[in-house]
Amino acid sequence: KAGVTQTPRYLIKTRGQQVTLSCSPISGHRSVSWYQQTPGQGLQFLFEYFSETQRNKGNFPGRFSGRQFSNSRSEMNVSTLELGDSALYLCASSWGHSMNTEAFFGQGTRLTVV
Amino acid sequence: AQSVTQPDIHITVSEGASLELRCNYSYGATPYLFWYVQSPGQGLQLLLKYFSGDTLVQGIKGFEAEFKRSQSSFNLRKPSVHWSDAAEYFCAVGEGVTGGGNKLTFGTGTQLKVEL
Repeated sequence: KAGVTQTPRYLIKTRGQQVTLSCSPISGHRSVSWYQQTPGQGLQFLFEYFSETQRNKGNFPGRFSGRQFSNSRSEMNVSTLELGDSALYLCASSWGHSMNTEAFFGQGTRLTVV
Repeated sequence: AQSVTQPDIHITVSEGASLELRCNYSYGATPYLFWYVQSPGQGLQLLLKYFSGDTLVQGIKGFEAEFKRSQSSFNLRKPSVHWSDAAEYFCAVGEGVTGGGNKLTFGTGTQLKVEL
């Protein structure tokens, strides 16, 4: 059974650009969550999608957005990139959208903003 | 709002020694508690979780954790550490959002170094 796949693994972007990251969940999983990991702030929740609907959102500016497709694949978009957006972005998938379903994490996308 | 504290940023132990990583949480309701491990350049792997019931939970790779409500703690333990256990360990509390939903709040992590 394939795990959570995040593409690309590495990205370098320039300030002011926008970026789209992709996450393919484990087959059969319908919930996808996104997290940002930085040395300064640690792991922070961005948002969660379930059945193509955003179910929960963290405390991030509107430049961070996401969506989920009918096949449960998810994308997150960051517009007008800032240097502080440099981070490891992790995606997690789970079968359901309650806390008692295990979340499986992908290897992440390392975004560097220059 | 919920929060998680991991007071030890770095811990060094000798291979074969016992290990305890500390975790304290703040959460109003019954918490969902997790321990994850992250190796360099990798995502997070779930070691174990606590939802309810027996307060001592067993996980993968020989890890266990004990939930102590009175101390708001969920410490991770391993009786004998292997060199391959060197990694960063994260404690997390899950917020059950009204209407369903997954949201994990993580501690700042503990970096474990294993001396041979």
